[in-house]
Amino acid sequence: SQQGEEDPQALSIQEGENATMNCSYKTSINNLQWYRQNSGRGLVHLILIRSNEREKHSGRLRVTLDTSKKSSSLLITASRAADTASYFCATASNRDDKIIFGKGTRLHILP
Amino acid sequence: NAGVTQTPKFQVLKTGQSMTLQCAQDMNHEYMSWYRQDPGMGLRLIHYSVGAGITDQGEVPNGYNVSRSTTEDFPLRLLSAAPSQTSVYFCASSSHRQGAVYGYTFGSGTRLTVV
Repeated sequence: SQQGEEDPQALSIQEGENATMNCSYKTSINNLQWYRQNSGRGLVHLILIRSNEREKHSGRLRVTLDTSKKSSSLLITASRAADTASYFCATASNRDDKIIFGKGTRLHILP
Repeated sequence: NAGVTQTPKFQVLKTGQSMTLQCAQDMNHEYMSWYRQDPGMGLRLIHYSVGAGITDQGEVPNGYNVSRSTTEDFPLRLLSAAPSQTSVYFCASSSHRQGAVYGYTFGSGTRLTVV
């Protein structure tokens, strides 16, 4: 079974607004990663947060991690049309070397 | 640098045929993985490797074999193709265990149809 579950499954917002996606997972992790996938393309790594970190920033991206609730959120500020894509969280278990992905959130930025 | 190269990009197989999906990386990454992506299912891990000569099963390994004779190459073999293996296959590699530091670098995928 998949470790991470993103919420919502799909999200449409106006350009310039902030987009928030959530990821919940089931077991203890070493790190959690977020990836972006444009239609028909491979995945691109966005940001990684370790289990001992609570928040991390990279440009317009902000990731939080709450290990007590086994959840993470990805915030994209001041969204742009180019942010239209699917976003996936991936968890690295502290039991083995697997990286397990969730089902993703489809983000659509409206002009 | 080419990064992660997957070949072929598209393939149509008949049920029962076998084939090998190729994956090569030129970044000297120790860690490599194969995923399949199906609509509504996200990515599911098939097999992974933590170095040459070492492979292990992921979430959905049945019907697939892998080998890792060199650091650069990680081919995925379909033993006897079934329509349920119709999917997009992605290979990924990382310099650090569990993608720590830089995450995984993905190839552009192989779109496989089994008829």
